[in-house]
Amino acid sequence: QSALTQPASVSGSPGQSITISCTGTSSDVGGYNYVSWYQRHPGKAPKLMIYDVSYRPSGVSSRFSASKSGNTASLTISGLQAEDEADYYCSSHTSTTTVVFGGGTKLTVL
Amino acid sequence: EVQLLESGGGLVQPGGSLRLSCAASGFSFTGYAMSWVRQAPGKGLEWVSAISGSGGTTYYADSVKGRFTISRDYSKNTLYLQMNSLRAGDTAVYFCAKDRREWNDGGLDYWGQGTLVTVSS
Repeated sequence: QSALTQPASVSGSPGQSITISCTGTSSDVGGYNYVSWYQRHPGKAPKLMIYDVSYRPSGVSSRFSASKSGNTASLTISGLQAEDEADYYCSSHTSTTTVVFGGGTKLTVL
Repeated sequence: EVQLLESGGGLVQPGGSLRLSCAASGFSFTGYAMSWVRQAPGKGLEWVSAISGSGGTTYYADSVKGRFTISRDYSKNTLYLQMNSLRAGDTAVYFCAKDRREWNDGGLDYWGQGTLVTVSS
């Protein structure tokens, strides 16, 4: 199972919005509404930010939103804050009942 | 409060074995799938294995199939990962994580802090 494709890095200034893409295939992202997004700060455990394509767990800021179109999922962070600087990973359920992660995107808040 | 505490990591020679444990608390252990995810140095997250809430179904990444075995002990609320025939490429921090559902859909809502496995001679 090949990793989902994410941009290696994105950046934005405080207050701006950024979008991170996550591209897979019809056997994973495109075939199921089980795309998740995780935030990982250095040395910390990953944190679930989005599940089932677009749902936020309790406690996650509404500045985080997500969607999917075809084989590509997207995470949007609006009103960027310094604390949003982290690595972000997407994941998807697959047709072989496994899970595949994206390669990760480093978000820099300028 | 949900807590996941991994243990069992360490230094092992290529070809050796190691068993990781993950003690879970704060939720109904039988109701949720559990997963292992790893991160090699300088690399991204890699899903390794999962087990259904009932324990009746297990799932493995191709990279570990046939070498790793996931299991869970409901009397101890503990998840395990038996790792055999270890290779240098298995060197990583291994995270235990709780799934949102009884089955493996990849929505991992709680994570442990990780345990480091180093495979080297």
